[in-house]
Amino acid sequence: RKEVEQDPGPFNVPEGATVAFNCTYSNSASQSFFWYRQDCRKEPKLLMSVYSSGNEDGRFTAQLNRASQYISLLIRDSKLSDSATYLCVVFDSSYKLIFGSGTRLLVRP
Amino acid sequence: DTAVSQTPKYLVTQMGNDKSIKCEQNLGHDTMYWYKQDSKKFLKIMFSYNNKELIINETVPNRFSPKSPDKAHLNLHIKSLELGDSAVYFCASSQGFLAGGPLYADTQYFGPGTRLTVL
Repeated sequence: RKEVEQDPGPFNVPEGATVAFNCTYSNSASQSFFWYRQDCRKEPKLLMSVYSSGNEDGRFTAQLNRASQYISLLIRDSKLSDSATYLCVVFDSSYKLIFGSGTRLLVRP
Repeated sequence: DTAVSQTPKYLVTQMGNDKSIKCEQNLGHDTMYWYKQDSKKFLKIMFSYNNKELIINETVPNRFSPKSPDKAHLNLHIKSLELGDSAVYFCASSQGFLAGGPLYADTQYFGPGTRLTVL
C-alpha cells in the first residue's frame, strides 16, 4: 500500500463548479498534513495546512479524519487559474514529508 | 529576489558522465532538502541538511552526494549518470527542522527544479 494515495484524475470541471479531492495515508502516527499545488513544469507550493478541526482559506476548505486516515480538499467556485495538480502531503513519524502523486484538476471556461 | 534558486534549469548529458546541480536560498533558513520527481510525478525526498549537517539520507545510490558549504547552499553531485536518473530534481528549504516541535513540519519552499535528461 502506498504511504499517501490520491486519485490521479484528471477532474475536468466547468468554471464555478465545486470539486473535492480525497487522499488517504497509511501511517496512523502521522501528525501534520498539507495540500500543495503544482502547476505544470513548476515547483510545488504550499496551498494550506490541514488541521484536525478543519480549516478554510477563501474558496478552499481542508478536512482531516484521523480515524479513517483521510484528508480532503474542497474547492468552491472554481476558477480557470485553479487548474493544476494538487498534492496531498503527510509529515510522517520519521520527520519526512511524504507526497502523494497528485490529483490533476482542469477547469474549463 | 528569488527565494530558492537552482542551476542549471535543464541538464542533458550522456550516461556515465558526472554532473552537479547547485541550490541557493536567500531566506535565511537553516534546513535544505533535495527531492526527486520521477516520470510518474512522485516527489520523494533524497537528502536533508540542517545547518550544514546531514539529517536525512534516504535510500539513494551512493553515486549521489550532497554537499553543503554553508547553510544557504546545498549542491548535489551525481557520478556515473544512469538512464534512470532522468527526473526533475527540486531543492527546498525550510526555516528549521522541527522548529515548531517534533509534531510539526516547517513549511518548505521549493526551487524551480532542474530537469535532468540522461541519454
